[in-house]
Amino acid sequence: NAGVTQTPKFRVLKTGQSMTLLCAQDMNHEYMYWYRQDPGMGLRLIHYSVGEGTTAKGEVPDGYNVSRLKKQNFLLGLESAAPSQTSVYFCASRSPGSCGGAEETQYFGPGTRLLVL
Amino acid sequence: AQTVTQSQPEMSVQEAETVTLSCTYDTSENNYYLFWYKQPPSRQMILVIRQEAYKQQNATENRFSVNFQKAAKSFSLKISDSQLGDTAMYFCAFMKHYGGATNKLIFGTGTLLAVQP
Repeated sequence: NAGVTQTPKFRVLKTGQSMTLLCAQDMNHEYMYWYRQDPGMGLRLIHYSVGEGTTAKGEVPDGYNVSRLKKQNFLLGLESAAPSQTSVYFCASRSPGSCGGAEETQYFGPGTRLLVL
Repeated sequence: AQTVTQSQPEMSVQEAETVTLSCTYDTSENNYYLFWYKQPPSRQMILVIRQEAYKQQNATENRFSVNFQKAAKSFSLKISDSQLGDTAMYFCAFMKHYGGATNKLIFGTGTLLAVQP
């Protein structure tokens, strides 16, 4: 199992450009998440998905859109990149889980470093 | 709303020594999960240990153990016999027990641990 993978690993954008970050998981997890990590702020949730075809806003959703057309993939889009979106982006996934099961654990991808000039 | 606080931005420990990282949290929930994640220079988020709030026994994973004080809302991580490979950023995280995918991880701001040879 590859677990959770993310592409690309690193990207430089100019202000106003658009791009899509891809997250893929091979663990058949229902739930998927996108976080951003900024210095001194920990990880903050951007959007999440409870299953194929469904998405919901997290803590910091502005400027981002997401899609979950296939269960194993969760895409994060930036329509018009801004310097404030310079960050490291992490995708995570987990199963619904039950009482105290290991499924409650979120498994993270390796991250995508994005620089917006 | 839940919050997680890590009051030690940086710590240092000598190889083979023991170090304790602090974490406190605020919640009105009675059932929840607590996690410690490790982020080495590779940026990969790695689960170190997890604790279910309804379990009184402190979780242990090899050299890693926690001191879970539910009444005090404290969840510290003890690393015994520190190794150079333990050098990383450590994040404490909280998640409610109920609520499905809306149970998002709430992260602290992290503690940067440096293990000195």
